[in-house]
Amino acid sequence: KQEVTQIPAALSVPEGENLVLNCSFTDSAIYNLQWFRQDPGKGLTSLLLIQSSQREQTSGRLNASLDKSSGRSTLYIAASQPGDSATYLCAVCDTGGFKTIFGAGTRLFVKA
Amino acid sequence: ETGVTQTPRHLVMGMTNKKSLKCEQHLGHNAMYWYKQSAKKPLELMFVYSLEERVENNSVPSRFSPECPNSSHLFLHLHTLQPEDSALYLCASSPTRQDYGYTFGSGTRLTVV
Repeated sequence: KQEVTQIPAALSVPEGENLVLNCSFTDSAIYNLQWFRQDPGKGLTSLLLIQSSQREQTSGRLNASLDKSSGRSTLYIAASQPGDSATYLCAVCDTGGFKTIFGAGTRLFVKA
Repeated sequence: ETGVTQTPRHLVMGMTNKKSLKCEQHLGHNAMYWYKQSAKKPLELMFVYSLEERVENNSVPSRFSPECPNSSHLFLHLHTLQPEDSALYLCASSPTRQDYGYTFGSGTRLTVV
């Protein structure tokens, strides 16, 4: 059974710092992995989608990497800003039953 | 707006009420999903529809009843809910069941009193 873990659960950093959020999964037979952002009480906004054949995806200050063999993905945020404060979730779609499993998220706070 | 619209945004209902949540997408996606997000818990998949056919029901209590009349609309009918059903209910769609990721709506915040 696929399990997705995100570490840390919460993170507070000063503005301008580069940071890394981690996502690990137990079954490497995945179809894709997606990173989302969720603001309090709101829906999820897709940030980056990495297909299983890819190693990384970039969008602006965000870079997501995928290492299937080790069951890990990282989301790198460069030059963090207060507007980046949100909960970041990773979701893994596995090839077994086409289920997408979400991690519990990392709550990020960027201090001005 | 992401292309997936959910109404209402907020709903307060008594345990004996019947209400419905609505989700609409005009992205041309063929798969739609209902998720439940409770405080401090990961998202829980409730139902999956692919090409208007329910393909997954994750042991959801019968007081939740989904309906997908066409590929653009998805409903979640609610009746005799319990206070522990209070949560954020999120609708999502994807081009097909497994590829190209999800687009989520903004959610309906449900409070059962």
